[in-house]
Amino acid sequence: TQLLEQSPQFLSIQEGENLTVYCNSSSVFSSLQWYRQEPGEGPVLLVTVVTGGEVKKLKRLTFQFGDARKDSSLHITAAQPGDTGLYLCAGEDAGGTSYGKLTFGQGTILTVHP
Amino acid sequence: NAGVTQTPKFRILKIGQSMTLQCAQDMNHNYMYWYRQDPGMGLKLIYYSVGAGITDKGEVPNGYNVSRSTTEYFPLRLELAAPSQTSVYFCASSYESLPDTQYFGPGTRLTVL
Repeated sequence: TQLLEQSPQFLSIQEGENLTVYCNSSSVFSSLQWYRQEPGEGPVLLVTVVTGGEVKKLKRLTFQFGDARKDSSLHITAAQPGDTGLYLCAGEDAGGTSYGKLTFGQGTILTVHP
Repeated sequence: NAGVTQTPKFRILKIGQSMTLQCAQDMNHNYMYWYRQDPGMGLKLIYYSVGAGITDKGEVPNGYNVSRSTTEYFPLRLELAAPSQTSVYFCASSYESLPDTQYFGPGTRLTVL
């Protein structure tokens, strides 16, 4: 079973600060996805990265896939209270046909205070 | 489009009872998934389906069963509920395999007492 370690588990910051969430594994992934989940709702996809070294930007969010496709990071610039939520990384197994099976990290709970 | 819908939203079961969690999608997606999410944890895959009539086990299938007779519906059956099955259950669907987007339902919060 592949494992994805997310850090930190909890993050409490003030509005306007920057932050980075990390997602690490000893396994190689074909692709890696980042989700955001709000209380009482299902996760919503933010981005998918598929190429080692790939960087994607979504407004104030920057996602990076490691060169070896074993790790990823999510950086938020000038965080806002609306960014509050649970952030999850999820990887697709690189070995064989995955059939859409994802391995999730345990999540990072982000709280942005006004 | 309603997307992915799940019923019920909440349920309390006694140990040993059985129930079916319902999941439906109206996007004509081929792939459907069932996950469970325990407090402070990420999601773990229970079962998945790549099309009507085809299902397979995920990471944590014990104590659950699924069926998929149509493209739209993918019910999850709990037999002989146990406290360890207390969790939030999410159904998801995608048109193709990864890296296609998986769309999640709102979840069913299940408590087994």
